This record gives sequence, C-alpha cells and structure tokens, in this order.
Amino acid sequence: GESVGLHLPTLSVQEGDNSIINCAYSNSASDYFIWYKQESGKGPQFIIDIRSNMDKRQGQRVTVLLNKTVKHLSLQIAATQPGDSAVYFCAENNSEGAGNQFYFGTGTSLTVIP
Amino acid sequence: NAGVMQNPRHLVRRRGQEARLRCSPVKGHSHVYWYRQLPEEGLKFMVYLQKENIIDESGMPKERFSAEFPKEGPSILRIQQVVRGDSAAYFCASSPRYQTRVSGNTIYFGEGSWLTVV
Repeated sequence: GESVGLHLPTLSVQEGDNSIINCAYSNSASDYFIWYKQESGKGPQFIIDIRSNMDKRQGQRVTVLLNKTVKHLSLQIAATQPGDSAVYFCAENNSEGAGNQFYFGTGTSLTVIP
Repeated sequence: NAGVMQNPRHLVRRRGQEARLRCSPVKGHSHVYWYRQLPEEGLKFMVYLQKENIIDESGMPKERFSAEFPKEGPSILRIQQVVRGDSAAYFCASSPRYQTRVSGNTIYFGEGSWLTVV
C-alpha cells in the first residue's frame, strides 16, 4: 500500500520568502525519493530527487532534505515566486520491492502571495 | 514532461461505454506506468508495464480495467463499461530502465487524460 503522507495540505507564503514543504513516509525500505510539482490541469513535473545514501541535495532554488531516522523528507524553495504556486508531491520508491512503482502522497498546495 | 505523449487529453463517455487511453513513452523508454488521480487527491499507482509484459498490476481494479504495452505502438489503458466513479485524470509515466538500488531512475509524466463519465 501507499506509505507517503504530507504534514500540511495547504501552504501560503509571501513572494520572496522561503517555502518548506514536508513529507513523511513509513516504509523504511524506501531508497529513492522524488519531488514533483503539478500545476492545475497538467502532469507532474520532476523537480529534484534524492537517494537514501544522501541526506541533502540542492538544485536551482530548491533543496531536498532526507532524514531516514524519522522517515521525513522536505522540500525547501528559496525566494518563492508566483510561478511556484502549484501542488507539490513527494514520491517514494523501494527498489527491492515487488514492483517498480512510486507511491505518492496527497500533495501540498502552495500558494504564493504577491 | 520529457516527451511522454498521452491522448486524448479529454474524453467524455456515457456510462457503460468503453474508454481507451493511449500513452507513447519517451523515445527509448521501455517502461510505462499508469496512475489515476481523483480531484484533490494524489496519484494512485495502477499498473507497471514493460514491452509486451505486465510487471505489476497490483493497483488496477480486477474488473473492467486492462492495460497493454505492445511491441509496437503506444501503451493502452482500457476501461470497459465505465461508471461515474471512473471519472478521473489518468497519467502515464515512463522510464528507461528498471529502478535499481544503485542507479535510481526518475519517471517522467505525460500531461494526462481527463476522463469524464456522464
């Protein structure tokens, strides 16, 4: 079954502020995680990924942090812009599992206030 | 979205009709995944296919739903005798190879097919 959940369903931030979106997972065997951004009426768009042998990975304006001890994942967006308004999903994968599917959380809706 | 093509983008069907959703993966990708998304919800895994093989269909309803990924042509998700509860967005994703512990493997999504059953 699915084992990914998000702490906050909605998040509003002021333009220019930093955003932090959290995600909890329950399968300790999960070893690969991805953050996706989904704008209204569109498909999920890859943002950043991280493997379980890392605890931090940085991209352009985004940072993903992984805490395997408490099975927690976060996405940090620096200097949030109106174009960042979307629903953000974390997804987990267990490469030793029976299938290769990714499990997704419900998502957090981020609204950027100009 | 890395070139995953889905069609139709929007489909309206009456209860009892059949819906066929097509997905062409990124060129060179041999793995296809189908997910369903209900309004205001996350993506639910349905099925994972390689060329000519169903690898994992644990998320697919046992009745009325089927999927294929033939040697030639797109992957097809088929829903027979649709009901109102089938109304959802259906997303296809693809990846070039099986996820491994060492390599990891991102899956890339198409723009989705929105099915409305009236």
